[in-house]
Amino acid sequence: DAGVTQSPTHLIKTRGQQVTLRCSPKSGHDTVSWYQQALGQGPQFIFQYYEEEERQRGNFPDRFSGHQFPNYSSELNVNALLLGDSALYLCASSRGLAGGGETQYFGPGTRLLVL
Amino acid sequence: SQKIEQNSEALNIQEGKTATLTCNYTNYSPAYLQWYRQDPGRGPVFLLLIRENEKEKRKERLKVTFDTTLKQSLFHITASQPADSATYLCALYSSASKIIFGSGTRLSIRP
Repeated sequence: DAGVTQSPTHLIKTRGQQVTLRCSPKSGHDTVSWYQQALGQGPQFIFQYYEEEERQRGNFPDRFSGHQFPNYSSELNVNALLLGDSALYLCASSRGLAGGGETQYFGPGTRLLVL
Repeated sequence: SQKIEQNSEALNIQEGKTATLTCNYTNYSPAYLQWYRQDPGRGPVFLLLIRENEKEKRKERLKVTFDTTLKQSLFHITASQPADSATYLCALYSSASKIIFGSGTRLSIRP
């Protein structure tokens, strides 16, 4: 049973560019959450998708957007990249909306470097 | 303002001793609190969940306590081993505040 998978593993972009990160949830999971983790910090919640809709959102600007597909996989898009967007981007999946105590399973993350 | 604080300094423990990590929070009313382990370059791995009406939870060598009066959770690893060396994160879940992670505590177990 594959766990949460993310692609790509690493990415280098320049300021102003746009990036798309991808996530496939653990089998049987229907909810995907995205997090940004800066070096030495804990993950910061970006948003959560359930039934192809954004259900909750953290304090991130509109440059951060997402999508969930009918097969529950998800994409995170970041427009107009800033140097400060350099971080590890984590995807987590769960069964139902996390926040109800459901265990989240995290992927290995995508390391994004903005130059 | 809302805040979660974990041991800011790294924790160095002798193998075999009990490691105790702290998670303090202010201005939250969490329904649940979870502890995760994170190894360098990897995503967090879920360890334990404790609900607001529970005082203590155990799993093998791990124990978590939750004191909603003190607004504090303690995470204990008994009979610690070098393989327990990692960063440990606490995360609060509340309907108002969504999902909030602490910055983590780096734990090192020396042989």
